[in-house]
Amino acid sequence: GDSVTQMEGPVTLSEEAFLTINCTYTATGYPSLFWYVQYPGEGLQLLLKATKADDKGSNKGFEATYRKETTSFHLEKGSVQVSDSAVYFCALSGEAGTALIFGKGTTLSVSS
Amino acid sequence: DVKVTQSSRYLVKRTGEKVFLECVQDMDHENMFWYRQDPGLGLRLIYFSYDVKMKEKGDIPEGYSVSREKKERFSLILESASTNQTSMYLCASTIEDLTDQPQHFGDGTRLSIL
Repeated sequence: GDSVTQMEGPVTLSEEAFLTINCTYTATGYPSLFWYVQYPGEGLQLLLKATKADDKGSNKGFEATYRKETTSFHLEKGSVQVSDSAVYFCALSGEAGTALIFGKGTTLSVSS
Repeated sequence: DVKVTQSSRYLVKRTGEKVFLECVQDMDHENMFWYRQDPGLGLRLIYFSYDVKMKEKGDIPEGYSVSREKKERFSLILESASTNQTSMYLCASTIEDLTDQPQHFGDGTRLSIL
């Protein structure tokens, strides 16, 4: 079945460092891909999405490109801030009307 | 903006109790979902519903049931709570049959079973 694998954390960075969180997927068909962020004590919020190959999703300085050839959707940010500390989830859409399939999440901790 | 509201942020119950977790969305979404979130396991789907009075089992439905009597409300029921059901529970909703649309989440209910 479809699945998502993302790098295990925690990821610990200093402020202004470059961030990459790896995400690869296995899917039949052509899923849409998502990154969600969960700040402490809150639910998940959509960070960005891409719906077809070579699409780049971007938001709040974060970017991810849908790479069909490598089945990847890595999250990047050029300069992280303390406020980016959160748990990040990669997800893909299954069949229409069904739930998203999530990775296990990666905890990011940014220190000043 | 879509608003998904879960009735409680924190809940403490005792083993054997029947527990109700409520979720309401305000965007007329057809699909609603219940997940539980545990450290190291990510989000696991318990049940989802694609229409009023319709439900489908997810990956871990054992020990849970759901109710969807109205389109905007999706309830998760722990029939007889056990300590291994201590977890964060997240409700989500999305529009029907568009796989490029995101799910919208509530803030979660942190449930402790003593």
